[in-house]
Amino acid sequence: GENVEQHPSTLSVQEGDSAVIKCTYSDSASNYFPWYKQELGKRPQLIIDIRSNVGEKKDQRIAVTLNKTAKHFSLHITETQPEDSAVYFCAATPPFGNEKLTFGTGTRLTIIP
Amino acid sequence: NAGVTQTPKFRILKIGQSMTLQCTQDMNHNYMYWYRQDPGMGLKLIYYSVGAGITDKGEVPNGYNVSRSTTEDFPLRLELAAPSQTSVYFCASTGTSGTYEQYFGPGTRLTVT
Repeated sequence: GENVEQHPSTLSVQEGDSAVIKCTYSDSASNYFPWYKQELGKRPQLIIDIRSNVGEKKDQRIAVTLNKTAKHFSLHITETQPEDSAVYFCAATPPFGNEKLTFGTGTRLTIIP
Repeated sequence: NAGVTQTPKFRILKIGQSMTLQCTQDMNHNYMYWYRQDPGMGLKLIYYSVGAGITDKGEVPNGYNVSRSTTEDFPLRLELAAPSQTSVYFCASTGTSGTYEQYFGPGTRLTVT
């Protein structure tokens, strides 16, 4: 089955700086890669996703890039703000996998004011 | 639209007791999932369902059972609770094939002592 590795496990950045979180996946057939944000005590919520036919996607201050050859994808957050502090999870799903997601282990992002 | 709802929010069980975690979605989604999230860890899939009457095991099914008699409901049954089942349990759902985005419920925090 699919295996997703996520790095780093913790990340602290100064407010206003950029943050980058990286994930690698094992199944070259995987075709959907979402990123979820989980604030303390809350449910995970989708913040951005990318499909395998696209190399990059942006939504205001967040962007995701995908390198299918290397089987890795990254989340980029620019101009970080205190409300970006949370745990971020990447995930991957292969086609015909009953829409199942395999999650990474998460990155705890702390924005230092 | 309430989305995905879960009950109870919190529960303390004694070792050997049983309970059912309830999950309901009102989005007419075919696919539903149960995850557990241990402290500081990612989400692990327990069971999933692709439609009423159809369920299948995920990554960590031991000690749990599920049923799916309707599109809306997907209860998770814990039999003979053990301390290793102390966790936060999230139910999620997604729509038709190819949609992929999973909507999570608010979670149930379970402690087994």
